[in-house]
Amino acid sequence: GENVEQHPSTLSVQEGDSAVIKCTYSDSASNYFPWYKQELGKRPQLIIDIRSNVGEKKDQRIAVTLNKTAKHFSLHITETQPEDSAVYFCAATANTGNQFYFGTGTSLTVIP
Amino acid sequence: DGGITQSPKYLFRKEGQNVTLSCEQNLNHDAMYWYRQDPGQGLRLIYYSQIVNDFQKGDIAEGYSVSREKKESFPLTVTSAQKNPTAFYLCASRYRDNEQFFGPGTRLTVL
Repeated sequence: GENVEQHPSTLSVQEGDSAVIKCTYSDSASNYFPWYKQELGKRPQLIIDIRSNVGEKKDQRIAVTLNKTAKHFSLHITETQPEDSAVYFCAATANTGNQFYFGTGTSLTVIP
Repeated sequence: DGGITQSPKYLFRKEGQNVTLSCEQNLNHDAMYWYRQDPGQGLRLIYYSQIVNDFQKGDIAEGYSVSREKKESFPLTVTSAQKNPTAFYLCASRYRDNEQFFGPGTRLTVL
């Protein structure tokens, strides 16, 4: 099966700086890669996703890049704000089978 | 956010009891999932269902059971065989090849 690894497990940045979280996956059949943000005690919510036919996707201060050859994808948050503080999860799935494989999460703290 | 609900929000179980967590969605999604999340940990898949009357075990199915009699509903029963059930339980649903939508979660505590 698929194995998704996520780094770092914790990340602290100063407000206004950029944050980068990286994930690797093992199954070349994986073709959909969502990123979720989870605030304490709340449900995970999708912040951005990318499919395997695209190398990069942006949405305001958030971007995701995908390198299919190396089997890794990254989340980039620019101009970080205190409200970006949360746990971020990456995931991978192949559409056959429908099962999502999640990384272990990155706890991001933005220091005002 | 709307469209997928879980109840109750908090649940307390005595040792030896079975308890059932509810998950309902009105999004017309075919696939539904149950995850367990322990403090400071990621999401671990318990069971998932792609269509009515069919479901598959995830990575940590032991001590849990599910049913999928209706498209809208995917209840999870935590049985007495689950020795350490205290955790945050998340239900999710998915439409075709799009993202998963999560419910608000149920926090289960063993007394």
